[in-house]
Amino acid sequence: GAGVSQSPRYKVAKRGQDVALRCDPISGHVSLFWYQQALGQGPEFLTYFQNEAQLDKSGLPSDRFFAERPEGSVSTLKIQRTQQEDSAVYLCASNSRDSLQPQHFGDGTRLSIL
Amino acid sequence: AQTVTQSQPEMSVQEAETVTLSCTYDTSENNYYLFWYKQPPSRQMILVIRQEAYKQQNATENRFSVNFQKAAKSFSLKISDSQLGDTAMYFCAFMKGRMAGTGTPLVFGKGTRLSVIA
Repeated sequence: GAGVSQSPRYKVAKRGQDVALRCDPISGHVSLFWYQQALGQGPEFLTYFQNEAQLDKSGLPSDRFFAERPEGSVSTLKIQRTQQEDSAVYLCASNSRDSLQPQHFGDGTRLSIL
Repeated sequence: AQTVTQSQPEMSVQEAETVTLSCTYDTSENNYYLFWYKQPPSRQMILVIRQEAYKQQNATENRFSVNFQKAAKSFSLKISDSQLGDTAMYFCAFMKGRMAGTGTPLVFGKGTRLSVIA
């Protein structure tokens, strides 16, 4: 595709449920990032992949958050036993290692925990 | 750790006028990039302009320009001839490193909500 694609666009879940958010980066992009954007705030880094390797997960707020990118393309962010404070927009971004351009962002998934 | 501060939560400007959004940052790095991103209600972060720290010349992109003061760690965005389509959240962002296309995360400020009034 032409850009970074994220699905679903909106997700509503009850507290305690598990959710999975998908990111399809730009074809050929090596680097993939996940960010969490709380209401009225700037995005905050969660985790980074280079191909299939998760090289940095220092921003994941708890062990309920898990991300994977098994084939070095599509990535999934999973949140287990969701809590109300997990409500946020989750943004995915990708870029090419050789690119002089910064990250290209998707439209995000707005997660609401009831 | 790096921090980015945007001290103006909201701003408004008349159509066709000029507005300046402020940003300051704190870092001990010598090589880094600074960015301004625009986020309309569609939520997609759109790159507006970028500045390499080693360049003294201020970056410009059409109606958008920056005032980069490295010693003061200041990076303001000036929008000239404001248009209704400029209405959005604007985020200042920092990235350390020498190459933009590397696995270095962006550090964002809290944003400034800009409203362009007809």
